[in-house]
This record gives sequence, structure tokens and C-alpha cells, in this order.
Amino acid sequence: DGGITQSPKYLFRKEGQNVTLSCEQNLNHDAMYWYRQDPGQGLRLIYYSQIVNDFQKGDIAEGYSVSREKKESFPLTVTSAQKNPTAFYLCASNAGTPTSRSGANVLTFGAGSRLTVL
Amino acid sequence: DAKTTQPPSMDCAEGRAANLPCNHSTISGNEYVYWYRQIHSQGPQYIIHGLKNNETNEMASLIITEDRKSSTLILPHATLRDTAVYYCIDSNNDMRFGAGTRLTVKP
Repeated sequence: DGGITQSPKYLFRKEGQNVTLSCEQNLNHDAMYWYRQDPGQGLRLIYYSQIVNDFQKGDIAEGYSVSREKKESFPLTVTSAQKNPTAFYLCASNAGTPTSRSGANVLTFGAGSRLTVL
Repeated sequence: DAKTTQPPSMDCAEGRAANLPCNHSTISGNEYVYWYRQIHSQGPQYIIHGLKNNETNEMASLIITEDRKSSTLILPHATLRDTAVYYCIDSNNDMRFGAGTRLTVKP
């Protein structure tokens, strides 16, 4: 079945360590997104990519980095520069450019990765 | 930042219709309105989308005002399993979400 796979589901990190969260999709989607969610809050956009080898900062990109070397993969690195990294991280994808009634902007989400900094 | 606004919370009695409003006053003429919901600690789930006509599917109905500046998601017969956070977004906004509406369905 097509979908988005995020790994790991749970991750613990010591302060000062970088950690990379994986996001893989087999939906042949052009666009991929990373969101951060804190308890009781909505989703905040970290980075997004509309095409391979290109990505843009979202609203809270500081302390994060991404790469988009392959269409199906969009890993997120949480660096030591991120002051409060403990959060729930969600990856999503869609077809990218919207067309008339194809629903091309419907997002498919992964199950999320929960990062805890000790 | 999100360009849609929603009430932070709503309650609904089980079996009754739940009507969730959303304001999207900056939406442009060719942008869709999308609704998602998120059950605790899971990824959001797509519900429905529309452009200017009312839409209905097996999950919900979507009513969009004639000026397209607001919409209402209707769950016709809410169940306890519909308790979730509901988000509306317009596709002019690089997929930015607001805080959503926390719907609690009560027995």
C-alpha cells in the first residue's frame, strides 16, 4: 500500500547531539513537508520541498536542516542549535502544484516521530 | 503563519450534528479549502475539500459561503470517535496549519 513512513517512532537524544528523522514516501508525490507539534498546539511548518534538490524554510526553520536528494525521501536533522527540540514531528506529502479538481493538494501524513531530549 | 481562523474548542452531543466554522478571508479565487482532523498523537487525516460549491462525502459535508471567505464542516451524526482536533487550511498558504478546533463529542 502507498503511504508515508516515518522512523523512528520514538527517539531520545542527549543535549548537544544532532539527530536525523527519516521520512519516506512511495506515493510518487513531488512535494514533502515537515511539521513540529508541541503538546496542545497546532502544526507548525519547519521546511518544505516542492521538487528534488530544492527546499524552502517554513516558519520555524532555525535549528533544523533538510535535504531532498531523492523524490521519495526528505530527512530532517534536528541540530544542537535547536534550543527546545522535544516535540512530535510530522512529515507529509502531496502532489504539489494544484490542478483544477484533482485534489492535488491533499496532504498525506506519516504517523509521526516523537523526539525527547534528555 | 496560518491565514485561517477557527474557534479553539467546541462541544457536541453524541448523535447530533457538529458544525465547525472556519474563516479564510484572504483566500484567492482558485484556492481550495481543505479540512483535516487529528486524533491524539496520530498524523492528521484528510476529511474533505472544496472550491466554491458545497461538497459531501462519506465522512462530512462542507458548506462554503458565496464570497468564499468562510466555510463550515458538518459532521451530521457525531460519534464519540469524532472527538479530535479539526483543522481547515487554504491551499494558498504553503500548507500552513493554524491551531484548529478541538471538538469534544459527549455522551
